[in-house]
Amino acid sequence: DTGVSQDPRHKITKRGQNVTFRCDPISEHNRLYWYRQTLGQGPEFLTYFQNEAQLEKSRLLSNRFSAERPKGSFSTLEIQRTEQGDSAMYLCASSHSSGDTQYFGPGTRLTVL
Amino acid sequence: GENVEQHPSTLSVQEGDSAVIKCTYSDSASNYFPWYKQELGKGPQLIIDIRSNVGEKKDQRIAVTLNKTAKHFSLHITETQPEDSAVYFCAATYFGNEKLTFGTGTRLTIIP
Repeated sequence: DTGVSQDPRHKITKRGQNVTFRCDPISEHNRLYWYRQTLGQGPEFLTYFQNEAQLEKSRLLSNRFSAERPKGSFSTLEIQRTEQGDSAMYLCASSHSSGDTQYFGPGTRLTVL
Repeated sequence: GENVEQHPSTLSVQEGDSAVIKCTYSDSASNYFPWYKQELGKGPQLIIDIRSNVGEKKDQRIAVTLNKTAKHFSLHITETQPEDSAVYFCAATYFGNEKLTFGTGTRLTIIP
């Protein structure tokens, strides 16, 4: 068990560019979550997957954001036409089943210039 | 929806003393309360959690207490050490609600 991994760890981009982040959950965890954390705040829920199905999306997830989890393994989070307000830490977590502990990855820190 | 408030926002204690962080929640349906520790540049790491069928849980120097009637729960760290310095977050959720609602965090500094 190597834990949740995320790539890249840091991303700097210019406003208007598209970015994509990847998350690899703990093996055999069928639930995968995305959170966003801004400076000085706690993580805020964005969306989650049960296997390959995206079951809930927060209203924080604008139509510029899209998440996928093909084959129920790794997940990607894409942000199109980035804005400066998108600058944050994007955290991925996974759990074995509903109600179980969510284990977080190290996050991807996005800076939009 | 659930709202979690956390106090204090910053806390400094002498090494060896105890630290207490308190959280209140609004949704009486919440029944799972984890605590995470986040070090600079890292993701949150679970340190202890408690479910609503118990009032207290202890793991070595760390303990969590839950008062369901008052809807608050607390983290207690005894015999603090420099490596306890970090930001601590409480969270709340309930079975079937997949998202965790986090507090705003407490920056704990242990003074050697």
